[in-house]
Amino acid sequence: GESVGLHLPTLSVQEGDNSIINCAYSNSASDYFIWYKQESGKGPQFIIDIRSNMDKRQGQRVTVLLNKTVKHLSLQIAATQPGDSAVYFCAETGNQFYFGTGTSLTVIP
Amino acid sequence: EAQVTQNPRYLITVTGKKLTVTCSQNMNHEYMSWYRQDPGLGLRQIYYSMNVEVTDKGDVPEGYKVSRKEKRNFPLILESPSPNQTSLYFCASSLALAGGPAYEQYFGPGTRLTVT
Repeated sequence: GESVGLHLPTLSVQEGDNSIINCAYSNSASDYFIWYKQESGKGPQFIIDIRSNMDKRQGQRVTVLLNKTVKHLSLQIAATQPGDSAVYFCAETGNQFYFGTGTSLTVIP
Repeated sequence: EAQVTQNPRYLITVTGKKLTVTCSQNMNHEYMSWYRQDPGLGLRQIYYSMNVEVTDKGDVPEGYKVSRKEKRNFPLILESPSPNQTSLYFCASSLALAGGPAYEQYFGPGTRLTVT
């Protein structure tokens, strides 16, 4: 099957700093890459996606970068806030979705 | 309110006793999917459905069945549950675009299943 892995299981950042969460994927044929946020006790929530023919996509306070050469995906969160504390998953998809194991982000006030 | 609902939210059962976890969405989404979430393994797709009467196996379909008789409902059936199916289960839905699902999936609140 597919393999999607996050580089670090946990990440702590100071409030107001930028956060970078990394992810490696294995399938060069995936069409889309997606980032989800999961808060404690809730289901995952869509943050942002990027198509395989793009390198960068920006949303509100979030940027996703895709490096197809090394099969690497990153999520950058600007000016991290306490409400950003959650587990972040990357996923790749064609018709099926393959999720990474998640990075737990803790924002220190 | 647009949402995906799952029932029950919590279930403790015994090995071999058939059970069904219901999933319903009110957004007229074509694509629906079931996942299980286990510590250290992330979310793994069990089954998905591109539309009514169309279902496909995901990464971990063994021991599960699904049906898609109506667009809004996608129940997950465990005919003979075993302890290794103890997990947190999520249902999700999204629109389906030509060639595949839209990527903004909406997830339900989860069903925590324990099989003893």
